[in-house]
Amino acid sequence: DVKVTQSSRYLVKRTGEKVFLECVQDMDHENMFWYRQDPGLGLRLIYFSYDVKMKEKGDIPEGYSVSREKKERFSLILESASTNQTSMYLCASSFLGALGYGYTFGSGTRLTVV
Amino acid sequence: EDKVVQSPLSLVVHEGDTVTLNCSYEVTNFRSLLWYKQEKKAPTFLFMLTSSGIEKKSGRLSSILDNKELFSILNITATQTGDSAVYLCAVSPRNQGGKLIFGQGTELSVKP
Repeated sequence: DVKVTQSSRYLVKRTGEKVFLECVQDMDHENMFWYRQDPGLGLRLIYFSYDVKMKEKGDIPEGYSVSREKKERFSLILESASTNQTSMYLCASSFLGALGYGYTFGSGTRLTVV
Repeated sequence: EDKVVQSPLSLVVHEGDTVTLNCSYEVTNFRSLLWYKQEKKAPTFLFMLTSSGIEKKSGRLSSILDNKELFSILNITATQTGDSAVYLCAVSPRNQGGKLIFGQGTELSVKP
């Protein structure tokens, strides 16, 4: 069964900490995405990548960075966590050229910044 | 600015009812519209629509796209408690690296 695995289901961090959210896929997909999900706002794209070492800003990249050193792994980095980054973070992957049906999502990481 | 809007944002019905969820969009270079179901975990794919007027059906769920009026509906007939979830609508634009633009989601609660 194809999988996108996010390293933590729940995470609590302190304001100002550097936070790493890890995502690994086993489908050899080119595209990988990070979204955050908030009530009433839906999913908003933070960053995406369509190849190793490539990254593109999404709609809300401020306060975040990403790393894609290997095809299967896409990391989201909060350089200095703030309380307004408390959210559900969803990683997804798809093959290049997918119309959208090829998306596979991870189970999400619920991050609380205190 | 590309935008996807879902309505209603939440809905409570009883088992056996029929529900209609709405999704409207304003997207440059539309390619496809997708519906996902999310139950406390990863969203799972329901339908992808690319052509106007062609209904997609899976069991009690069906969906149709109107790409002239720029909306889609998701129908669920004879609802069951297992249909309780957040339903997400998303649009995939052309030439944007495969990203999806999501609506706010509709939270459906089906009471016994």
